Amino acid sequence: DTEVTQTPKHLVMGMTNKKSLKCEQHMGHRAMYWYKQKAKKPPELMFVYSYEKLSINESVPSRFSPECPNSSLLNLHLHALQPEDSALYLCASSQELKGGQPQHFGDGTRLSIL
Amino acid sequence: GEDVEQSLFLSVREGDSSVINCTYTDSSSTYLYWYKQEPGAGLQLLTYIFSNMDMKQDQRLTVLLNKKDKHLSLRIADTQTGDSAIYFCAVDQTGANNLFFGTGTRLTVIP
Repeated sequence: DTEVTQTPKHLVMGMTNKKSLKCEQHMGHRAMYWYKQKAKKPPELMFVYSYEKLSINESVPSRFSPECPNSSLLNLHLHALQPEDSALYLCASSQELKGGQPQHFGDGTRLSIL
Repeated sequence: GEDVEQSLFLSVREGDSSVINCTYTDSSSTYLYWYKQEPGAGLQLLTYIFSNMDMKQDQRLTVLLNKKDKHLSLRIADTQTGDSAIYFCAVDQTGANNLFFGTGTRLTVIP
């Protein structure tokens, strides 16, 4: 089973709302990633967790707050987002955080900010 | 950082071969990946190559790597309509699995 599951598939929220994106994998992977993808652009790395610890934060605004409650789950908490945050948010996982360990992606959550 | 460039568009006829090209700037890049993205979906891993190899074949897919020219290509044999998608190359510059993605090539297969 090489599946990364993301929920919800679509999310519409106002700028004052608080919501969370969820990602789950049961492949025993110990590295998990959040990416942001704008239309017609490549994915941009936001956060990386390795063994449930935050390893990389690519200068992401604090209105995005990641959480890794256990080795299978990764959350992205959203608060006070801006219209320019509308995008496809992709989660990925890999065996470990090292080269030659391919990243496997979920189908993403399409987020629209009103 | 790393600059990774791809042509934006490619059209081929069904049954022909497709060749998608990618150039990168950092010669220390270790692993190089190809991903496929269909509309409304995430990225599907197709194949990858380590920098000490110059070719890898996997069924209809052939990856060629020219380290001297920092050029990577993906050849799809007998291209089918289901191959229509955006193809991204991605480069692991440091060996720490921090990927730099190319701009993506939209492949259109004409029946």
